[in-house]
Amino acid sequence: AQTVTQSQPEMSVQEAETVTLSCTYDTSESNYYLFWYKQPPSRQMILVIRQEAYKQQNATENRFSVNFQKAAKSFSLKISDSQLGDTAMYFCAFSKASNSGYALNFGKGTSLLVTP
Amino acid sequence: DSGVTQTPKHLITATGQRVTLRCSPRSGDLSVYWYQQSLDQGLQFLIQYYNGEERAKGNILERFSAQQFPDLHSELNLSSLELGDSALYFCASSPLGRTDTQYFGPGTRLTVL
Repeated sequence: AQTVTQSQPEMSVQEAETVTLSCTYDTSESNYYLFWYKQPPSRQMILVIRQEAYKQQNATENRFSVNFQKAAKSFSLKISDSQLGDTAMYFCAFSKASNSGYALNFGKGTSLLVTP
Repeated sequence: DSGVTQTPKHLITATGQRVTLRCSPRSGDLSVYWYQQSLDQGLQFLIQYYNGEERAKGNILERFSAQQFPDLHSELNLSSLELGDSALYFCASSPLGRTDTQYFGPGTRLTVL
């Protein structure tokens, strides 16, 4: 079974600063996908970024980027130029490539507070 | 707005009752996933359908069942409800060209009293 660990239950960052959220995972699979989802107070789950395990290049989406270390099984999310709207719960998720679908395994989440 | 719709937004019911949650995937998406988010268990995968057929099962209780209809909308049926079933239930769909990626609906908040 795959497990996803987010070791930082809560973090805080000032507006315009940079923050990094950590995620590690455990798997014996060689082909898989990793994701970060954001859940603001509205409770909507919003896809932030996606990484394919067979791609060495780190994914980026505007102010969001990841540091994917496959050997270390680490997948951290960096948020640059933090904005008040980034305040949310952030979930790291794993899915293995499979003919029977891509069910997501989620970590317990990191609550991020962006302060003025 | 992800394009995935779920109804109702909120549902309050009593123990022992049965409820149905509805999900419409994004236009053209064939896969539908159901997840439960509770304080105790976090976010858990329940079940997946692809083009009307069950594709994968997760931690879904026997009291819960689901189906996907020919128009691709899906329903999650929860019966003999218990207090512990109170949770946020999400539906997600994935596009044909990128079946590994899921877009979530706004969720249905179920409260069992």
